Amino acid sequence: AQSVTQLGSHVSVSEGALVLLRCNYSSSVPPYLFWYVQYPNQGLQLLLKYTSAATLVKGINGFEAEFKKSETSFHLTKPSAHMSDAAEYFCAVSEAGGFKTIFGAGTRLFVKA
Amino acid sequence: KAGVTQTPRYLIKTRGQQVTLSCSPISGHRSVSWYQQTPGQGLQFLFEYFSETQRNKGNFPGRFSGRQFSNSRSEMNVSTLELGDSALYLCASRTSGSGADTQYFGPGTRLTVL
Repeated sequence: AQSVTQLGSHVSVSEGALVLLRCNYSSSVPPYLFWYVQYPNQGLQLLLKYTSAATLVKGINGFEAEFKKSETSFHLTKPSAHMSDAAEYFCAVSEAGGFKTIFGAGTRLFVKA
Repeated sequence: KAGVTQTPRYLIKTRGQQVTLSCSPISGHRSVSWYQQTPGQGLQFLFEYFSETQRNKGNFPGRFSGRQFSNSRSEMNVSTLELGDSALYLCASRTSGSGADTQYFGPGTRLTVL
């Protein structure tokens, strides 16, 4: 069975600092992995996704994530935080050949001036 | 292409009433999923429809139901509303429903039950 764990329900960084949001997954078959962002009163928007091509995936707004099979991780990073990055971030996993997508509990990112 | 649209955006109901929410997917998308989002429980999967058939179902009581029409538009219905049903209901569409497909989310319907 698939599962997703996001470490830290809240993360706070200073503007210009590195953003690191952690995601670990469990899957019995090769997974597809996603990061979504949600701004207040809006739906979720795709940041990036991994579908078994390059392990380092670049997304929108300067975000990237690295698939590490040995660590079953897919952490999201951004070198320099901007105030506009303040939002909630969701990691999600689905399985090759499957249809269901499992979302993590979300991590709320705060950016301090 | 137009994005996923959901109507209404905001809804206020009282306990015991029923409610119907609507979702229009992106043109060409045949899969529609529904999620309930609350501060306490996070994002929870309700069900998914593909070509008018319910393909997956989450762990919700039978008061929650849905359907999909031949044009892929979907509705979800909640009967006998309870206070705990207050939430943001999100609809997402994708092309075929394969695990590799990106889900595109609508802005949600904010339901408040008084």
